[in-house]
Amino acid sequence: EDKVVQSPLSLVVHEGDTVTLNCSYEVTNFRSLLWYKQEKKAPTFLFMLTSSGIEKKSGRLSSILDKKELFSILNITATQTGDSAIYLCAAVYNTDKLIFGTGTRLQVFP
Amino acid sequence: NAGVTQTPKFQVLKTGQSMTLQCAQDMNHNSMYWYRQDPGMGLRLIYYSASEGTTDKGEVPNGYNVSRLNKREFSLRLESAAPSQTSVYFCASKTSGQETQYFGPGTRLLVL
Repeated sequence: EDKVVQSPLSLVVHEGDTVTLNCSYEVTNFRSLLWYKQEKKAPTFLFMLTSSGIEKKSGRLSSILDKKELFSILNITATQTGDSAIYLCAAVYNTDKLIFGTGTRLQVFP
Repeated sequence: NAGVTQTPKFQVLKTGQSMTLQCAQDMNHNSMYWYRQDPGMGLRLIYYSASEGTTDKGEVPNGYNVSRLNKREFSLRLESAAPSQTSVYFCASKTSGQETQYFGPGTRLLVL
C-alpha cells in the first residue's frame, strides 16, 4: 500500500531555533515529492524535489530528497513565529495524483 | 488572478440533506481535484478530473459525485450528507505536464 509518513507529528520551538522535518515514502511509480505549508487555509507550495541529493533553497527554508532511502527533509533555520504552520509533504505518483502525509505541526514561540 | 476559489466557505447540513460545493480556477489548468482533510488523516483524494470531460475516483469517493462543468469549474456533490462527511474540503488544480497542485481556501462542512 502506498504511504507517506511524516515525523514528528508536532514540534514546539523558540524563535531562532533550527528545525528538521522528516518525510518518508513508499509509493509505486514515484515521480517527485512536494512540500507545502498550511497556515489557516489553503496549503501553499514550497518545493518540488525530483532528483536525489540536489538541495532546493528558499530563504531560510531548504529541502533535499534521497531516492535511495526514500525520504526527504525540510530544514528551517532561524525560525520565526511566522513559520508556525502545518507542513505537508506529498508524493507524486503516476501522472496526476498526490498522496499526502499527515503533516507536522510546527509552533514557534517568541 | 484569483487562483482557485471555492464556495461556500462554511456550511452546516443536517443528515440526509444534499449540497454542492463549487470550485473554479482562472489559471487555465487542465486538471482539477477534490480532497478532504480530517484531523490526523492528512489530505485524501476524493475525485479528480485530468481534463475537461473526464472524472475519476480517488481514494475516498463513496458518498460523493462530481461534475467537470467546463475547464474552469469542478463541483462536488453530496447527495445525502452523513456525519462522517464532516470535514474540510479543498479543491486544487494544476496544468498538464506540471506536478505542482494549487489549492483553494477550503470549505468547512459540518453535518449534524
